[in-house]
Amino acid sequence: DTAVSQTPKYLVTQMGNDKSIKCEQNLGHDTMYWYKQDSKKFLKIMFSYNNKELIINETVPNRFSPKSPDKAHLNLHINSLELGDSAVYFCASSPRGVGGYGYTFGSGTRLTVV
Amino acid sequence: AQRVTQPEKLLSVFKGAPVELKCNYSYSGSPELFWYVQYSRQRLQLLLRHISRESIKGFTADLNKGETSFHLKKPFAQEEDSAMYYCAVGETSGSRLTFGEGTQLTVNP
Repeated sequence: DTAVSQTPKYLVTQMGNDKSIKCEQNLGHDTMYWYKQDSKKFLKIMFSYNNKELIINETVPNRFSPKSPDKAHLNLHINSLELGDSAVYFCASSPRGVGGYGYTFGSGTRLTVV
Repeated sequence: AQRVTQPEKLLSVFKGAPVELKCNYSYSGSPELFWYVQYSRQRLQLLLRHISRESIKGFTADLNKGETSFHLKKPFAQEEDSAMYYCAVGETSGSRLTFGEGTQLTVNP
């Protein structure tokens, strides 16, 4: 069983489109995250939810909107996609607080905007 | 604010040679330190955490609070160790992990 699963794995779309990425974890963790890995492999946090409540909201364009219907799911919706949004987006989860456990990551969604 | 510095973007060694990936951090509280590994086009996987003081795949890392470092070491590198390695710092009671920019390790035959 995959602990943190993301869909789709690959996403190619045109500029201006709206797309969503889904994430689910079956670890019983309280906290979920979205990270963006750019072309230089730099990882930057975008959002974090703890038990459906937004707790981290970094400086991200408001075209990006996270949604957490329950603590096992955290989806990312992106409006009006731009070329610069091309990246790998990773979902992750952790128990309440990092507390020595760190994160468990999903396998990533490679988004290409053309 | 939390900050992690990995000074080497690229590191290349020969098989069987020792390898050390450097990590320095700045953090005002009580930090939790981690190393993550990402093999080509795969997910990030937890490699080591400082509180467990364990050795995984022959890698070890010691937290040096005086030097604020958490360098990753392996005495004899293997070709399958070629990957991107990320150092990360977090706080025990918090949920944010801050990652360094990563070091791409290449182990040549």
